[in-house]
Amino acid sequence: KNEVEQSPQNLTAQEGEFITINCSYSVGISALHWLQQHPGGGIVSLFMLSSGKKKHGRLIATINIQEKHSSLHITASHPRDSAVYICAAYYNSNYQLIWGAGTKLIIKP
Amino acid sequence: EAQVTQNPRYLITVTGKKLTVTCSQNMNHEYMSWYRQDPGLGLRQIYYSMNVEVTDKGDVPEGYKVSRKEKRNFPLILESPSPNQTSLYFCASSLNPGHQYYGYTFGSGTRLTVV
Repeated sequence: KNEVEQSPQNLTAQEGEFITINCSYSVGISALHWLQQHPGGGIVSLFMLSSGKKKHGRLIATINIQEKHSSLHITASHPRDSAVYICAAYYNSNYQLIWGAGTKLIIKP
Repeated sequence: EAQVTQNPRYLITVTGKKLTVTCSQNMNHEYMSWYRQDPGLGLRQIYYSMNVEVTDKGDVPEGYKVSRKEKRNFPLILESPSPNQTSLYFCASSLNPGHQYYGYTFGSGTRLTVV
C-alpha cells in the first residue's frame, strides 16, 4: 500500500528559528509535492520535485529518492509562516496523489 | 489571472437534495481532480480527470459523480447527499500532474454541510 508519513504532526517555534518538516513515502514515486494550507483553508502549491532540491525565498525542499524521504525547510521563520504544511506523493501508475496528514506549524513572535 | 474557481464557498443543504459544486479553470489544464478534507483524515481524492470525457475514481468516489464535457469545467455532483458527505471540498488542476515543473492550482474550497 502506498503511504505517506509526515513528522512532526505539530510544531511550535519562535520567530527566526530554522524549521524542518519531514515526509517519508513507502514506494517509488513520480514526484513529491509540498503544499501550504492557511487557517482560512486555502491551499497553495509550494514545490513539486522528483529529485534534488528547490528553493523559493526562505523555503527549501529536498528529496532523497534512495531513502524515499523529503524535507521542507523554512529559514528565518516568521509568524506569517504559521500554517499546515502537507506533502503528497504522486504515482504515475494510477495518476494518484497520496496525501500526508499534514504538519501544523505555529511560529510565535 | 490564472485560477481555479469553485462555487459555492459555503453550502448547507438537506439530506437527499441533489446539488452540484462547480469548478472551472482558465489555464487550459488537462488534469483536474476533486478532494475532500476531513479532520484527522487529511485530503482524499474523490474523482479525477485526465482530459475531456476521461474521468476515473479516486479513493472515495461513493456518493459522487463528475463530468468533463469541456476542458475548463469539472463539476462535482451529489445526487442524494447524506450527512457523512459533510466536508471541505477542493478542486485542483494541473498541466501535468506528475511532472516536477508543473504544480497544482487549487480552488478556494467549498464547505458543505448536509443536515
